[in-house]
Amino acid sequence: NAGVMQNPRHLVRRRGQEARLRCSPMKGHSHVYWYRQLPEEGLKFMVYLQKENIIDESGMPKERFSAEFPKEGPSILRIQQVVRGDSAAYFCASSNGINSPLHFGNGTRLTVT
Amino acid sequence: GDSVTQMEGPVTLSEEAFLTINCTYTATGYPSLFWYVQYPGEGLQLLLKATKADDKGSNKGFEATYRKETTSFHLEKGSVQVSDSAVYFCALDRDDKIIFGKGTRLHILP
Repeated sequence: NAGVMQNPRHLVRRRGQEARLRCSPMKGHSHVYWYRQLPEEGLKFMVYLQKENIIDESGMPKERFSAEFPKEGPSILRIQQVVRGDSAAYFCASSNGINSPLHFGNGTRLTVT
Repeated sequence: GDSVTQMEGPVTLSEEAFLTINCTYTATGYPSLFWYVQYPGEGLQLLLKATKADDKGSNKGFEATYRKETTSFHLEKGSVQVSDSAVYFCALDRDDKIIFGKGTRLHILP
């Protein structure tokens, strides 16, 4: 199954540590989106990337969060100095263009202790 | 800004009951509208979509009609099954991203 692959599925970090979440898009897809899902809330858009470019990061917190999608390898969502409020499910989605359907991964559930 | 509002859950129904999950949107212009479904422990999957007014999206017995006059995209199914238990998200596209509602959890009792 060449779907969107996210790892790890579960990630536990202590406050102040760094979290790195990885996403390999579906084969042939060059557009990657990251969303955050808090309990009992919908998905909140964080960032949209194409290869080597951040297209829209309007949903990213201004500090501690960054994302990249290098020419080779997976997209990475990086959270520095995590706090308890960062605990959530982070979903990656990919598509082969604007207005094309999104294909989601199974998410990474981050728990900050 | 653009937004999606859907009925709060959880919604609990018996098997073979009729389902309606309400969704309304606020947007400039005429976005495409979607319903996504999320099964436990999984990511979202596209269930159906409609790209213009009066379009009807349908899949797996689910239907939704794009109503411009009421800015709505209600999800319906005539006879639900236990396997339909999941969280359902209404969404619209705006420029380069999809905007989601908060989701409605559906429980179907055998």
